[in-house]
Amino acid sequence: DQQVKQNSPSLSVQEGRISILNCDYTNSMFDYFLWYKKYPAEGPTFLISISSIKDKNEDGRFTVFLNKSAKHLSLHIVPSQPGDSAVYFCAASSNTGNQFYFGTGTSLTVIP
Amino acid sequence: EAGVAQSPRYKIIEKRQSVAFWCNPISGHATLYWYQQILGQGPKLLIQFQNNGVVDDSQLPKDRFSAERLKGVDSTLKIQPAKLEDSAVYLCASSFKLERESYNEQFFGPGTRLTVL
Repeated sequence: DQQVKQNSPSLSVQEGRISILNCDYTNSMFDYFLWYKKYPAEGPTFLISISSIKDKNEDGRFTVFLNKSAKHLSLHIVPSQPGDSAVYFCAASSNTGNQFYFGTGTSLTVIP
Repeated sequence: EAGVAQSPRYKIIEKRQSVAFWCNPISGHATLYWYQQILGQGPKLLIQFQNNGVVDDSQLPKDRFSAERLKGVDSTLKIQPAKLEDSAVYLCASSFKLERESYNEQFFGPGTRLTVL
C-alpha cells in the first residue's frame, strides 16, 4: 500500500521558470516530510524538510509547502536551472517511528 | 569527508543463487540503513541499525534476506536464495543519530544494482 504518492512521473520546465513537484500522502499520522534529489547512478541527497507545525519552509531557490488538510505537499524550485534535472522523491514519517516512506519519484527535466 | 561506500556497484546472478552487498558508512555515524529500490518505485527501508543493534527490520523478508553490522561500523546485506523480484538497487545510508530530525543528515551511498536472471 503506497502511503506516499507522486502522481507525476515526469515534468519538463524551461530554464528560469518555476518547477512545481507534487506529493500526496494518505496517513494522517505523518508529521515530518522530506524531499530528496537523485542523480543517475548516485544515491539520493537531502534537499529540504518540513514538519507539520509549519506550512512553508524555504531554502534558497527551494520552497516546500504543506497542506495538512489536503494531505498534500509541494516543492517549488524558482528559478529552475538545468542542474536541477534529476529525480525528486518526497518522503514522510510519523512520530510513532523513525521510518520514512518514500514516494515513487518525479523526474524533472529543465530545458536550457 | 568520505561518503558512504558500497560494493559491488553492479551484480548479475541467476535465481536461487546467493549474493552479498557491503556498506561502509560515514565515520562516526551510529545509524545505518539498508533500502531496496525497485525500478519505478521509491526506496523502501529493509533494516535499520543503531550501532550493532537492529532498530527496525519489519520489512526485511527474513526467509531469504539477512543483514549484520557486527562491530557497529561496516554492514553486509545477504540474499539467499535470490528470486527474480529481488532485482533492484540496494541503497545503504547512514546518519549520526537515530532521531528522525537527523534525516536531513542521512547520507546515501551510490547503491548496488542487482539483476536476478
